Formats: sequence, C-alpha cells, structure tokens
Amino acid sequence: DAGITQSPRHKVTETGTPVTLRCHQTENHRYMYWYRQDPGHGLRLIHYSYGVKDTDKGEVSDGYSVSRSKTEDFLLTLESATSSQTSVYFCAISENSGGDGQYFGPGTRLTVT
Amino acid sequence: DQQVKQNSPSLSVQEGRISILNCDYTNSMFDYFLWYKKYPAEGPTFLISISSIKDKNEDGRFTVFLNKSAKHLSLHIVPSQPGDSAVYFCAASGQTGANNLFFGTGTRLTVIP
Repeated sequence: DAGITQSPRHKVTETGTPVTLRCHQTENHRYMYWYRQDPGHGLRLIHYSYGVKDTDKGEVSDGYSVSRSKTEDFLLTLESATSSQTSVYFCAISENSGGDGQYFGPGTRLTVT
Repeated sequence: DQQVKQNSPSLSVQEGRISILNCDYTNSMFDYFLWYKKYPAEGPTFLISISSIKDKNEDGRFTVFLNKSAKHLSLHIVPSQPGDSAVYFCAASGQTGANNLFFGTGTRLTVIP
C-alpha cells in the first residue's frame, strides 16, 4: 500500500471555527489531492497540488484553502467551518498525471455542529 | 451536474457467478477511465483502468469494457467472491495537467456465499 496517512481521523467541530486536515505521504509523489465524499455525489475534488507551492482548485473549492510547503505534506483548511462541510475527506497521491491511478489515504470524518 | 453516472446503487450476485457493474459518462473529452473499490472506513483502492484508445482491459478476474460511442463502460468480475463485496466507483479523467478525476456515485456489490 502507498504510504499515505491522514490526521486527524475523526473530528467534531463547531460552526465558524477553522479546521485544518493534514495529509502526509512517504512515497515522494508529485501530485496530491483532496476529495470529499458525500452520499449521492461520490467523491468530488476540492483542491490538488502538482508540486511544492503549486496548487489549483477542483470542482468544489469554495470555503477551502490548501497549502503544500513540502513534498510530503498537503494541508486542507476550512477557514470557517459550516454544517455543509460535514463529510468524509480523502487525500490521494499520484506519481504521474494522465490516469495512472491515484492512491488514497484512509479518510478523515469531519462533523460540523 | 454528474458527468460520470452509476445508475445502480446496489447489486447482489451469487458467489462464483459474474458481476457486471455499469457506468455512463457524458463528457466526450474524457480519455482515461478507472475503477476503484472501497471497503467501509477505508480509502478507495485502485482496481483497473482503461485508456480511451482501447475497448477492453483485463487483469485477472477483472475486465473493463469501454464503448466510446455509447459513452459506457462496465466492469466484469468473474468469478465473484465474497471478498469482492464492497462499493465500486467508476472514475474518469480528461486531458488536464494533474489527472483530475470525476467519480460516479458508486455501486454497492454484495457477493452472496
């Protein structure tokens, strides 16, 4: 299995508070991604990174920001959490672009009350 | 607007028989298609992929078929085993720099012993 960890694995937070989720990889892969999974939607891309300090928006980026200061770490921040951001968040990595397949972390279950 | 659709939320199959999971897409620019398998409380696991220049790709018990004219792909599992019971996601990627994936909503496969 690809070396991907996510922290925390579970979090409950209140509306309006900032939250940061961390993804850490040991594979030295160039590309990193944040997805959210919701019933009826499958997985949707929030943001992705194609190198250190190189990031771009995905399909559902509103309310989220990301940072990648090192190859191995990709942080997802909810600047002011809302109940609509209650979801399961998955980080993924890939060595190349072009459909080689992404490898996913175990997920973080976030509940915003 | 769902660009990748899995219209069957669930499928039950007897052990040893064939499982066929279906997926439709709307964007003709997609050039790579993938299937992921997901167990509860785990991240999705890459299973098999196919390029748009092919119509079939086989890997052991798993075969993916692509019908570009119909914008349809299917995953065949033969023979089905109880350990195959999971949620299967179809995904597609287009010509972008970082392999953005668009996922379907998933089909829950149950293989009955």
